[in-house]
Amino acid sequence: AQSVSQHNHHVILSEAASLELGCNYSYGGTVNLFWYVQYPGQHLQLLLKYFSGDPLVKGIKGFEAEFIKSKFSFNLRKPSVQWSDTAEYFCAVISNFGNEKLTFGTGTRLTIIP
Amino acid sequence: EPEVTQTPSHQVTQMGQEVILRCVPISNHLYFYWYRQILGQKVEFLVSFYNNEISEKSEIFDDQFSVERPDGSNFTLKIRSTKLEDSAMYFCASSPYSGNTIYFGEGSWLTVV
Repeated sequence: AQSVSQHNHHVILSEAASLELGCNYSYGGTVNLFWYVQYPGQHLQLLLKYFSGDPLVKGIKGFEAEFIKSKFSFNLRKPSVQWSDTAEYFCAVISNFGNEKLTFGTGTRLTIIP
Repeated sequence: EPEVTQTPSHQVTQMGQEVILRCVPISNHLYFYWYRQILGQKVEFLVSFYNNEISEKSEIFDDQFSVERPDGSNFTLKIRSTKLEDSAMYFCASSPYSGNTIYFGEGSWLTVV
């Protein structure tokens, strides 16, 4: 069974600081990887995704993530955060061999201090 | 941009009552899902639906739960006899095909009292 680990439960940063949120997954086959964001009181929105190709993927709002296959990792990064980035961030994985279940990590709450 | 829509946005129900949560997935999508998020916890998979039948379900999705696609557009989640622990945000989602990006609705907050 696939699983996703997000080791940072709550991260507090000042505006303009750099961000890296960790995500590791466990699965024996090929997967598609996602980062979703949930702003306070809102629904899950797709930030970025990796299916294949360049392991460094760029998403919306200046976010990027790097897939490192050897480390089973898909860390999310942003060079300079803004107060509006305050949200919950979820890493998720889905097998691309017919398994429809998207498995989420426990989420990382990001608080940006102005 | 097309989106998944859900109704109601918030429902309060008494324990033991039946609840139906409604969803309109993105029109050309083939896979439909329900997920839930208990307050402060992670998003959990409930069920996936394809070709008018359940393709996968989690251990959470017991006999109290059912899903239906009664017409060409709606996708419903029914909880037959709600329990306090069913209080959660329920997200409907859809995907054009298996393994692809899953698009989520805004969620339906269910509060069981």
